[in-house]
Amino acid sequence: KAGVTQTPRYLIKTRGQQVTLSCSPISGHRSVSWYQQTPGQGLQFLFEYFSETQRNKGNFPGRFSGRQFSNSRSEMNVSTLELGDSALYLCASSPRSDSMGYTFGSGTRLTVV
Amino acid sequence: QKEVEQNSGPLSVPEGAIASLNCTYSDRGSQSFFWYRQYSGKSPELIMSIYSNGDKEDGRFTAQLNKASQYVSLLIRDSQPSDSATYLCAVNSYSGAGSYQLTFGKGTKLSVIP
Repeated sequence: KAGVTQTPRYLIKTRGQQVTLSCSPISGHRSVSWYQQTPGQGLQFLFEYFSETQRNKGNFPGRFSGRQFSNSRSEMNVSTLELGDSALYLCASSPRSDSMGYTFGSGTRLTVV
Repeated sequence: QKEVEQNSGPLSVPEGAIASLNCTYSDRGSQSFFWYRQYSGKSPELIMSIYSNGDKEDGRFTAQLNKASQYVSLLIRDSQPSDSATYLCAVNSYSGAGSYQLTFGKGTKLSVIP
């Protein structure tokens, strides 16, 4: 069974640009969550999607947005990139979000220069 | 603000010893608790889940949960150098509108010395 697939694996962007990251969950998983991981802050929750609806959002500025498609694939977008947005962005999927652990993708390493 | 606290370590144990990792959480209503292992440069991998008070064993791993004390722990018996990684405690809490949010601690770095 294929795992959670994130593309691209690595990205280098310039301040002020925007970026779109993609996540394909495990087949049958309807809940997709996004996390930002940095050495100082650890894993921080960005948002959760279920059946194309954003059900929950973390404490991040509006520059961070996302969406989920009917096939459960998800994208997240960061506009007007800042140096502090450099991080590992992780997508995780679960059949549902209530009590089951999430399976993480390999992540997208974003570097903003 | 839901918080999950872990000792950042590093925790060093000799090969073959028991490694004990601890975690406390703030949301008394939390129902699901997880331990993830993250190797350097890799993504987190789920190794244990626990939902009710007491112990849950899986191979060399034992998770312990005490909801009254809001405390979760992970014991690794017969520690191996391959267990050297960062261990993340995660707590699932209801966030409203049918959504649950997994909140992570910052992780404890474990080094198993051969």
